[in-house]
Amino acid sequence: AQKVTQAQTEISVVEKEDVTLDCVYETRDTTYYLFWYKQPPSGELVFLIRRNSFDEQNEISGRYSWNFQKSTSSFNFTITASQVVDSAVYFCALSEAVTGGFKTIFGAGTRLFVKA
Amino acid sequence: DADVTQTPRNRITKTGKRIMLECSQTKGHDRMYWYRQDPGLGLRLIYYSFDVKDINKGEISDGYSVSRQAQAKFSLSLESAIPNQTALYFCATSDFGFGRQETQYFGPGTRLLVL
Repeated sequence: AQKVTQAQTEISVVEKEDVTLDCVYETRDTTYYLFWYKQPPSGELVFLIRRNSFDEQNEISGRYSWNFQKSTSSFNFTITASQVVDSAVYFCALSEAVTGGFKTIFGAGTRLFVKA
Repeated sequence: DADVTQTPRNRITKTGKRIMLECSQTKGHDRMYWYRQDPGLGLRLIYYSFDVKDINKGEISDGYSVSRQAQAKFSLSLESAIPNQTALYFCATSDFGFGRQETQYFGPGTRLLVL
């Protein structure tokens, strides 16, 4: 069965610090997708990144970077030079095939506090 | 205009009442989902629908029912609301086809309080 673990419940950093959010997943499939979503205090869910299981290339987007390692079943998310606006709950998610399509499950989320 | 809308955005109801949460999308996606979010538990899947004729139970479907009235509309009903159904409910849509990767797009959420 698929499972997503975000072991860090809450992280607190001071502005300009780098912070890494951990995500470990379990799946039996060889084809799957991994996602990160951001939920700011306003409550909406914002898509950040999608990665498929065949692409282990790390990705950088501005201050955000993602490290996908199949050998350790991890898909970690790093924010460089954090800002107060990064304060949010971040969810890692795993999507794998079911009959007719894909089904996604989410980790419990990591709440990030960035203090000025 | 938002691509995925949910109504109502907030709702207070009493135990035993029947309520319906509605979701509409203009993205033209076939797939729609209902999740609930509880503190510390992330999002959990209630029901999902891969097209108008397809309805599937998620991990926590007990106490809920759904209706896919059209490609663009997917409603969630609580037949007899109970306090532990107090949560934030999200609707999502996705589009998947051969060679494309599935990404889910979420509505703004509905806060439900059952007294």
